[in-house]
Amino acid sequence: QVTLRESGPALVKPTQTLRLTCTFSGFSLTTRGMYVTWVRQPPGKALEWLALIDWDDDKEYTTSLKTRLTISKDIPKNQVLLTMTDMDPVDTATYYCARLVVGDQYYYGMDVWGHGTTVTVSS
Amino acid sequence: DIQLTQSPSFLSVSVGDRVTITCRASQAINSDLAWYQQKPGKAPDLLMFAASTLQSGVPSRFSGSGSGTEFTLTISSLQPEDFATYYCQQLNNYPLTFGGGTKVEI
Repeated sequence: QVTLRESGPALVKPTQTLRLTCTFSGFSLTTRGMYVTWVRQPPGKALEWLALIDWDDDKEYTTSLKTRLTISKDIPKNQVLLTMTDMDPVDTATYYCARLVVGDQYYYGMDVWGHGTTVTVSS
Repeated sequence: DIQLTQSPSFLSVSVGDRVTITCRASQAINSDLAWYQQKPGKAPDLLMFAASTLQSGVPSRFSGSGSGTEFTLTISSLQPEDFATYYCQQLNNYPLTFGGGTKVEI
């Protein structure tokens, strides 16, 4: 059974750095075609894709936040880490991690999601 | 970046109605499109990938079509559990992007 779980601080102050951890099980991030992605959702708003890392350690970021985001993985711990610098109240959101599977023929989509972790940015 | 425009943003419908949601991409993305359903307070669930392939366990009243720049998600007969917000996502090009969502309400 594939599961993912996000963890991190519920409250950060403006200008601080946010560090989120996605702990997963049921698959290996060393298997070809496996990716872990981060998505966020401000209250009452749409989903926003943030970043991903793949089995080959390739990384991609959303354009508007590229300078503030860093994604990495810890294979022995089955974890993916996301850091976001210079937090602002507009970054208040629920942050999700999800598995993305890519095959030879298809992008299979983000098939398993964590429950999300809510982050509030406030002084 | 590829922009995805969903229409309509809101749909007011009844149980049993046929529902169609459109997702338009700002450039061609082949069939590299996924649809998700999200209920309040929950993470999204994958409904469909490759534009028209139903994810395992998703009821057959959901169907998808399209390629290139225009895609549709259809619910043939809306059930009470289908009241939710639906999002399209393109996976053809980085950065990945989502549409703005379509809220289906009573």
